[in-house]
Amino acid sequence: QKEVEQDPGPLSVPEGAIVSLNCTYSNSAFQYFMWYRQYSRKGPELLMYTYSSGNKEDGRFTAQVDKSSKYISLFIRDSQPSDSATYLCAMKYINAGKSTFGDGTTLTVKP
Amino acid sequence: DAGVIQSPRHEVTEMGQEVTLRCKPISGHDYLFWYRQTMMRGLELLIYFNNNVPIDDSGMPEDRFSAKMPNASFSTLKIQPSEPRDSAVYFCASSEDREGEKLFFGSGTQLSVL
Repeated sequence: QKEVEQDPGPLSVPEGAIVSLNCTYSNSAFQYFMWYRQYSRKGPELLMYTYSSGNKEDGRFTAQVDKSSKYISLFIRDSQPSDSATYLCAMKYINAGKSTFGDGTTLTVKP
Repeated sequence: DAGVIQSPRHEVTEMGQEVTLRCKPISGHDYLFWYRQTMMRGLELLIYFNNNVPIDDSGMPEDRFSAKMPNASFSTLKIQPSEPRDSAVYFCASSEDREGEKLFFGSGTQLSVL
């Protein structure tokens, strides 16, 4: 079983929809939780990061961490065609350089 | 800043040949990471450096892989000899954070070993 599980999708929504992307994990020692966006043929780009539990909002993006359920989410409000990409969750321990990534969810936002 | 710069963007080689991938991290970033991405295994950490010193190379597949960071602005990942199963996209990333939780990735090198 992988440490980080992520539904690969693909996920297709109409423009303006609210998108919910999720990851589950098995190791309760993870303390940092990140979301990266990866466009085709590009490197991943950091969108959000959260330390420990709670919510974090940045514009149309909201990241949630529920450590009791070992579950993290990324919400995208008013989705745009430019949001079409693969979204990767990532997690890491304190005092460890390594980030462990999910396999990514491919999102398409249709005009 | 130009971001993390990787070269070459594409590399096609034959089995048994030596392959060298190059990376220039963002200036001032103390951490440098090499990741490999495949459809089957996703994004995997191969090795990372802190202040030019290798810290964790447990992800390096085998002795055919080696990585160096001779100075703060340059790193190489070498595969010798290369095999078809090494075909993947190799990413370099750098970070300025003590915990390395915010990674800045390059555009990657698409490696095809025939």
